Amino acid sequence: ETGVTQTPRHLVMGMTNKKSLKCEQHLGHNAMYWYKQSAKKPLELMFVYNFKEQTENNSVPSRFSPECPNSSHLFLHLHTLQPEDSALYLCASSQDLLDSWQYFGPGTRLTVT
Amino acid sequence: ELKVEQNPLFLSMQEGKNYTIYCNYSTTSDRLYWYRQDPGKSLESLFVLLSNGAVKQEGRLMASLDTKARLSTLHITAAVHDLSATYFCAVGWSGGSNYKLTFGKGTLLTVNP
Repeated sequence: ETGVTQTPRHLVMGMTNKKSLKCEQHLGHNAMYWYKQSAKKPLELMFVYNFKEQTENNSVPSRFSPECPNSSHLFLHLHTLQPEDSALYLCASSQDLLDSWQYFGPGTRLTVT
Repeated sequence: ELKVEQNPLFLSMQEGKNYTIYCNYSTTSDRLYWYRQDPGKSLESLFVLLSNGAVKQEGRLMASLDTKARLSTLHITAAVHDLSATYFCAVGWSGGSNYKLTFGKGTLLTVNP
């Protein structure tokens, strides 16, 4: 256990559905991250939040919508996804943005049908 | 655009042997990370390297950074089976409020008895 939890662990959704992924960290960290790991591409950093403020959106399509209501929680809202969005979505946190060790959650395995 | 190349992508080695994984990157960066991923599991942070000449060691793994050559190495000493995993390097930079991180494709390491 790293202190970062993600729910659900597995999710199957149709292309017209709306769902949300949740991440929670119990470490008192200030920065949180969403990553995408798909079979055919290198790991991608999707979103970065520092003190609840989004610092970077790495050209992620608008069908992915992040939300960070406080430093402990991070959501990824999903709508009208495509089959190529099927991947492992990893959440991570770190004490601060620049120099820190990142702690990763177990991931959500998403399948879009 | 920052490009990160890891080699080799696949590495099969015997227990007790030494080997090095290389991570080359294409443009100036201010930090480099190494991660480990076991099959079906999440990522685990191994090292964060922040300056030219930085060297960090943990157990049988040692990471180094040469920013002038734009090269990081992960050296494995006297490999044991438990080190079998996929190892990723990632190169990051921060500018103002922006933060970017680009991953290599990963090196699948198999240590055979």
